[in-house]
Amino acid sequence: KAGVTQTPRYLIKTRGQQVTLSCSPISGHRSVSWYQQTPGQGLQFLFEYFSETQRNKGNFPGRFSGRQFSNSRSEMNVSTLELGDSALYLCASSLALGLYNEQFFGPGTRLTVL
Amino acid sequence: AQSVTQPDIHITVSEGASLELRCNYSYGATPYLFWYVQSPGQGLQLLLKYFSGDTLVQGIKGFEAEFKRSQSSFNLRKPSVHWSDAAEYFCAVGRDDKIIFGKGTRLHILP
Repeated sequence: KAGVTQTPRYLIKTRGQQVTLSCSPISGHRSVSWYQQTPGQGLQFLFEYFSETQRNKGNFPGRFSGRQFSNSRSEMNVSTLELGDSALYLCASSLALGLYNEQFFGPGTRLTVL
Repeated sequence: AQSVTQPDIHITVSEGASLELRCNYSYGATPYLFWYVQSPGQGLQLLLKYFSGDTLVQGIKGFEAEFKRSQSSFNLRKPSVHWSDAAEYFCAVGRDDKIIFGKGTRLHILP
């Protein structure tokens, strides 16, 4: 069974631009969560989607948004990029709703904002 | 406030030596507890989890962890480390649709 895939793996953007990251969950998994990982803040939860609806949200500004499609694939969008948005963005999928379920992580998208 | 503390940012052990990584948490109720490992360039992989029952939990790759309610701790152990265990380890706690990760402990292995 294929694992969680994330595209692209690397991105370089400039301040003020917007970016869209994509995540394909493991087949059959309906929950997709997004995390931001930085050296200073560590891993922080962004949001969780289940059945095309955002079910949980972390403490991030409205510039961070996402959506989930009917095939469970998910996209995350960051608008008006700031230097502090440089991070590894991880996507995780699980069978059921709820962050305490076993999550399977993708390799991440490394975003650099110049 | 809810929090997870991994007091050791870096730990170095010799190959074949035993390992213990510390994790302490602060949470209103007994949370679900997890240990994840992240190898360079990879996402996180679940090593083990504790929800309830036996406080000694066995995981993959020869790891185990013990939940101690009185100490609010969930330390990860391995009796004999291998060079391939070099990675970053994250403790996480979750409940009520929330999950909080510790800042991680980077494990270095000496040959």
